[in-house]
Amino acid sequence: AQKVTQAQTEISVVEKEDVTLDCVYETRDTTYYLFWYKQPPSGELVFLIRRNSFDEQNEISGRYSWNFQKSTSSFNFTITASQVVDSAVYFCALRPLQGGSEKLVFGKGTKLTVNP
Amino acid sequence: DVKVTQSSRYLVKRTGEKVFLECVQDMDHENMFWYRQDPGLGLRLIYFSYDVKMKEKGDIPEGYSVSREKKERFSLILESASTNQTSMYLCASIFQGHSYEQYFGPGTRLTVT
Repeated sequence: AQKVTQAQTEISVVEKEDVTLDCVYETRDTTYYLFWYKQPPSGELVFLIRRNSFDEQNEISGRYSWNFQKSTSSFNFTITASQVVDSAVYFCALRPLQGGSEKLVFGKGTKLTVNP
Repeated sequence: DVKVTQSSRYLVKRTGEKVFLECVQDMDHENMFWYRQDPGLGLRLIYFSYDVKMKEKGDIPEGYSVSREKKERFSLILESASTNQTSMYLCASIFQGHSYEQYFGPGTRLTVT
């Protein structure tokens, strides 16, 4: 069974604070992809990152960084020096490589509010 | 740039009406998806299609049907709308065999009264 758990339903921080969004996944597949999407108030999901199961290197993109740990089945997302524009709902998703259907399994999302 | 468009951003329908939600993508993607998004439940897959006239049920297909007559267009149909189908509906598309990101449309917020 495939499952993605985002235990934090809502997080509220003050601007310039660092914040980490947790994502834990379950899969029996040995090869898979993990994704993070951002959904700002406008509603459209924006792709942030894709990671395959063979690549455990952490990634940094500006103020965003991702920590992939296969041993704990986690793919956490950290925003450094948060800004009001980071306020959004963030979704973590899993896609197994077998099966060929391209389906994604999404977590329930974490709503991040960054206050000025 | 890939573009996925949805026919309406906001829609209000009455209970029992037949409702069509249209999604069009301009990148020749084989796979298209319909999700619904509800607070606290995340995105749930309703139906997807991997080719013209092909469709497969997702996790919550009850009360919905779909149509894919042309590659670029994927329609979601509510045969007889009910209040529990009030939700945000999101369409997405992707190339077959590429484990890249799905591209999403802007969403349709449907209210059934």
